Amino acid sequence: NAGVMQNPRHLVRRRGQEARLRCSPMKGHSHVYWYRQLPEEGLKFMVYLQKENIIDESGMPKERFSAEFPKEGPSILRIQQVVRGDSAAYFCASSMRDRGDYEQYFGPGTRLTVT
Amino acid sequence: DQQVKQNSPSLSVQEGRISILNCDYTNSMFDYFLWYKKYPAEGPTFLISISSIKDKNEDGRFTVFLNKSAKHLSLHIVPSQPGDSAVYFCAAFDSGGSNYKLTFGKGTLLTVNP
Repeated sequence: NAGVMQNPRHLVRRRGQEARLRCSPMKGHSHVYWYRQLPEEGLKFMVYLQKENIIDESGMPKERFSAEFPKEGPSILRIQQVVRGDSAAYFCASSMRDRGDYEQYFGPGTRLTVT
Repeated sequence: DQQVKQNSPSLSVQEGRISILNCDYTNSMFDYFLWYKKYPAEGPTFLISISSIKDKNEDGRFTVFLNKSAKHLSLHIVPSQPGDSAVYFCAAFDSGGSNYKLTFGKGTLLTVNP
């Protein structure tokens, strides 16, 4: 039973380019969460999605960041016009049930470096 | 404003002894708590959780204690093994909230010396 998959594992972008991070949830999971970890910090919630719906994007910067979870295919976190401050580890997590399942299972993360 | 705090950035223990990792929270709406373990260059791995209706939950070598009145929880690892060396994150959840996010502490780096 495959776990949460994320790709790429490492991504290097120059300032001003776009970064696309992909996440495939665990089989049977229909809820996806994105978190960001800055150096020496804990994980910070960005966005929660179900298939074709953004449920909560309260942790996502208002500009340059967007997320989607289409009916088919992986969830995508997109960062446009990246800046050095976007350098971080981005983790995707998934869970199965709606309420009552508080355990989120994490992927290996994508380490974004902006040069 | 940090709602979940892990005040010890690091902890070093000898193999076979007990490791105690601490976590404090400020939001009284949190009613479910989780511990995750993280190795470098990997994602967090779920370890153990506890609901606010309990004060203790045990799973093998891992036990989590919750003191609601003090808004404090701790993770005990007995006996500690070198493979337990990792960063441990405490996370909290408000099951009655309209969002689904976990709120994490900054983590404690545990080193278990052989």
